[in-house]
Amino acid sequence: DAKTTQPTSMDCAEGRAANLPCNHSTISGNEYVYWYRQIHSQGPQYIIHGLKNNETNEMASLIITEDRKSSTLILPHATLRDTAVYYCIVRAPWAGANSKLTFGKGITLSVRP
Amino acid sequence: DTGVSQNPRHKITKRGQNVTFRCDPISEHNRLYWYRQTLGQGPEFLTYFQNEAQLEKSRLLSDRFSAERPKGSFSTLEIQRTEQGDSAMYLCASSLERLRYGYTFGSGTRLTVV
Repeated sequence: DAKTTQPTSMDCAEGRAANLPCNHSTISGNEYVYWYRQIHSQGPQYIIHGLKNNETNEMASLIITEDRKSSTLILPHATLRDTAVYYCIVRAPWAGANSKLTFGKGITLSVRP
Repeated sequence: DTGVSQNPRHKITKRGQNVTFRCDPISEHNRLYWYRQTLGQGPEFLTYFQNEAQLEKSRLLSDRFSAERPKGSFSTLEIQRTEQGDSAMYLCASSLERLRYGYTFGSGTRLTVV
């Protein structure tokens, strides 16, 4: 699986948009970008995924650059409950013998009042 | 179905004791994964099952660790002769064979070895 690079941490004000960047310059053509988040003392939670088109769901938007070498997760109106570690992962959506998601350290988002 | 269930939520054990954790996946998910997470790190893959077959094991899974998934339903992770270094959060996740819709994780079992 391609490697991803994320900043260690960032913060934003409650009610403002949080834009979380991720670099994945070695992504291959069949790999999707997945985002998960982990709130303290809970298991990771799936947020969104995409291949090349921008995606939006009830939780967030995912913007993937045209060359697919980077992406941004956007939380449009951050709340205190969005404070968490956010993981960006790239991999193919079907796996054969290699099915695991590989997590890095993620980016810690702190939403301040 | 309310998601992936893990029991117990917390376990404190003395060094050298054996412990067993249970994971009940989402019923229609045929893939089940175990991860371990230590403080400040992302989850690390341990092993995964497709139905009842254990298809991959990480080198992190020493011979003191064993996982089973009888009948392709719930899974257990056993650690024998626990060591202080085994203290961690043990996470279970399940998914359909096509990963397209992501994993669903449980809340984990936090193990403390004293």
